[in-house]
Amino acid sequence: AQSVTQLDSQVPVFEEAPVELRCNYSSSVSVYLFWYVQYPNQGLQLLLKYLSGSTLVKGINGFEAEFNKSQTSFHLRKPSVHISDTAEYFCAVSDRKTSGSRLTFGEGTQLTVNP
Amino acid sequence: NAGVTQTPKFRILKIGQSMTLQCTQDMNHNYMYWYRQDPGMGLKLIYYSVGAGITDKGEVPNGYNVSRSTTEDFPLRLELAAPSQTSVYFCASSYPGRGGEKLFFGSGTQLSVL
Repeated sequence: AQSVTQLDSQVPVFEEAPVELRCNYSSSVSVYLFWYVQYPNQGLQLLLKYLSGSTLVKGINGFEAEFNKSQTSFHLRKPSVHISDTAEYFCAVSDRKTSGSRLTFGEGTQLTVNP
Repeated sequence: NAGVTQTPKFRILKIGQSMTLQCTQDMNHNYMYWYRQDPGMGLKLIYYSVGAGITDKGEVPNGYNVSRSTTEDFPLRLELAAPSQTSVYFCASSYPGRGGEKLFFGSGTQLSVL
């Protein structure tokens, strides 16, 4: 079984500031890692994912994340945020061997970008 | 491009009532999922299906039932609604594969049980 912990439930930042949303995972097997975003009153959309290869993954809307196996982390970053990035962000993990695309989600981080 | 469509968007139930949340997708995805989202808890998997006629329990299946008679449809049934089932429900689908596939989500059903 695997689990995901998002270390911050709320992150307020000012427009054009950098942001990092932290995610740690726990698993006894190799995993795939994901970040999804949920805008108000909408379903989740995939931001980016790590399957293999380069540990720095680039996604949509200028976001990127770095897989750190030794620290079991997959933190999400953006160098300069916009008001439109205000949303809830979910880190998720799936087991490479047994669970296919079934995801275990973290509790979510509400990013609020202020003018 | 309809994607994943959920109905209804909102519903209020009385304790003990039953209802079916509808989910349909037009992407010919074999895999479909039902998640519930509670504040501060993330999303929890209720049931999933890897193809027509095949369903399996997720993390929180108690109080729910599903069926998968076609590739397109994956309804979720609540038989005896309880206040603990007040939540936002999301249906999702994905291509079959070796893992790591992108999930496509519907816009959700907000359910209140009073």
